[in-house]
Amino acid sequence: EPEVTQTPSHQVTQMGQEVILRCVPISNHLYFYWYRQILGQKVEFLVSFYNNEISEKSEIFDDQFSVERPDGSNFTLKIRSTKLEDSAMYFCASSLGGGNNSPLHFGNGTRLTVT
Amino acid sequence: AQTVTQSQPEMSVQEAETVTLSCTYDTSESDYYLFWYKQPPSRQMILVIRQEAYKQQNATENRFSVNFQKAAKSFSLKISDSQLGDAAMYFCAYGYNAGNNRKLIWGLGTSLAVNP
Repeated sequence: EPEVTQTPSHQVTQMGQEVILRCVPISNHLYFYWYRQILGQKVEFLVSFYNNEISEKSEIFDDQFSVERPDGSNFTLKIRSTKLEDSAMYFCASSLGGGNNSPLHFGNGTRLTVT
Repeated sequence: AQTVTQSQPEMSVQEAETVTLSCTYDTSESDYYLFWYKQPPSRQMILVIRQEAYKQQNATENRFSVNFQKAAKSFSLKISDSQLGDAAMYFCAYGYNAGNNRKLIWGLGTSLAVNP
């Protein structure tokens, strides 16, 4: 069964550095998402992406964050200048359709540690 | 604002027994979906079961079923004949229908242990 893949599984970076988290969604999916989960807290929506543009973003997704689909397969999340509070598990997801009747398929996540 | 509450941080069940995980939510919307996701140690979020709010019939998927009480805003997950592979973190999530909005609201999760 096709899967969403995320790399790396664990990223350690120093505060102030830029990081890029990578995701390869399922190949025929059209909608892409990033969620994050800070340890001990709820999973939070960050951004949704469709037709090469952001369709919705949360308050968390400020100017330090950006997403890109640089080619036909990758979907990346960039954090320009990481802060300690960006330490979290970041999940990428994709879906074929945009409504809730089209299930989200999640990757295994990237654990980001900012020191 | 929509919220999802899972009041049981941890649960345990004996293998082959039945366990029910609780979830309540708050919303003023009438058209929405509710989900249960499973997160095993591999970390991947796996969709277990989904319920459309407009359907009165409770969703079932093999050993997994829900008790959806719309008026009470309750959405519990029942796992029958529990297996060792059911041990995982279980998340309840809410998604409302607004065009292409896929902003799921999540509970804190319930960690389920299955004892042999």
